[in-house]
Amino acid sequence: DAGVIQSPRHEVTEMGQEVTLRCKPISGHNSLFWYRQTMMRGLELLIYFNNNVPIDDSGMPEDRFSAKMPNASFSTLKIQPSEPRDSAVYFCASSRSIGARAVTFGSGTRLTVV
Amino acid sequence: DQQVKQNSPSLSVQEGRISILNCDYTNSMFDYFLWYKKYPAEGPTFLISISSIKDKNEDGRFTVFLNKSAKHLSLHIVPSQPGDSAVYFCAASTSGTYKYIFGTGTRLKVLA
Repeated sequence: DAGVIQSPRHEVTEMGQEVTLRCKPISGHNSLFWYRQTMMRGLELLIYFNNNVPIDDSGMPEDRFSAKMPNASFSTLKIQPSEPRDSAVYFCASSRSIGARAVTFGSGTRLTVV
Repeated sequence: DQQVKQNSPSLSVQEGRISILNCDYTNSMFDYFLWYKKYPAEGPTFLISISSIKDKNEDGRFTVFLNKSAKHLSLHIVPSQPGDSAVYFCAASTSGTYKYIFGTGTRLKVLA
């Protein structure tokens, strides 16, 4: 089991540019979560999907943020346009909806917007 | 509004002693609680969990205590080891959802 795979590991971009973060959940997991970690707010839930359908996106900070899950093995989080205050570590996590109550996290993408 | 709070951003403990990490929550609907450990440059990893039907769960050196009336949980690590140095997050969820709300984390440093 390769775990939750995120890419890229690091991203440095200029303010105003579009940023796309990618995630491959663990095979067989049908819930997927995007979190953002900052010093001030810790781990914030941005959005979560169940069976590829967005269930709760109330944590998405602004319309500049969007997330998609076109199939069970891939999800993206897009920021357009990016701003310096978006700089953070973004984590993707997945879990089985039935039988498991803990999520498995990827290694994260460290985003720096300059 | 932070529904899950970890009021101590950091904690230092001598090797071999007990580490106690605290977590408070405000939502009485939460009925499942988890602790995660995070090393630098890695994602958080699951450590231990507890359901609201229990007040204690133990796994080796790690014990989680839940006080529902106080809306408080704590993680005890005995004995503490230098390898336990990490950031610890508590998280809570409600039955029927898989939405986990995390606290801001406590950085534990175990001194050799």
